Amino acid sequence: SAVISQKPSRDICQRGTSLTIQCQVDSQVTMMFWYRQQPGQSLTLIATANQGSEATYESGFVIDKFPISRPNLTFSTLTVSNMSPEDSSIYLCTYMSSGGTTEAFFGQGTRLTVV
Amino acid sequence: AQSVTQLDSQVPVFEEAPVELRCNYSSSVSVYLFWYVQYPNQGLQLLLKYLSGSTLVKGINGFEAEFNKSQTSFHLRKPSVHISDTAEYFCAVSVKETSGSRLTFGEGTQLTVNP
Repeated sequence: SAVISQKPSRDICQRGTSLTIQCQVDSQVTMMFWYRQQPGQSLTLIATANQGSEATYESGFVIDKFPISRPNLTFSTLTVSNMSPEDSSIYLCTYMSSGGTTEAFFGQGTRLTVV
Repeated sequence: AQSVTQLDSQVPVFEEAPVELRCNYSSSVSVYLFWYVQYPNQGLQLLLKYLSGSTLVKGINGFEAEFNKSQTSFHLRKPSVHISDTAEYFCAVSVKETSGSRLTFGEGTQLTVNP
């Protein structure tokens, strides 16, 4: 399995600002996913990011708030725009394995606190 | 669309006692099933997965789970828990027919092992 690295691992941000989270995979993967885990809650899919196309957003998430880039098969970014305290969460990047197992591999996540 | 229900939000047990964390899913098509563990301040780690074949699946750290199609369940068990098993456990499902399908997570079960 490929190793996922996310940066930053944590950050404290002022409301109204934006933060870009980077996700690096050490091998090429087709589909990457961004999840949000709000405090004490489960993981919610934000969007699916494929290289060379627009990200596909889940209900309740919009591109203006969470723009995503996927410039190549090993890298993606998620920006949390115009942040409010409600955006305080762990943001997780993941990819699914190939070969039919659909196993997901997660990075350590980015713990974001908005004050 | 598929969904996952974890029936217990918190499960406190004593060390060396057996434990069962319950998970039920809903889907109109065949699925893959997963259990992930999240230790405090860490990312998600795959415990075990059911793809096909034997309904009893063994995972890491002495955990096992049984797929029951008629009851649409995938309960996680361990015959004797350790303090180090204290963590959040997530059941997840992905749709079998869609290559690279995303995961849908349950709400999580906090397992607390007391001495």
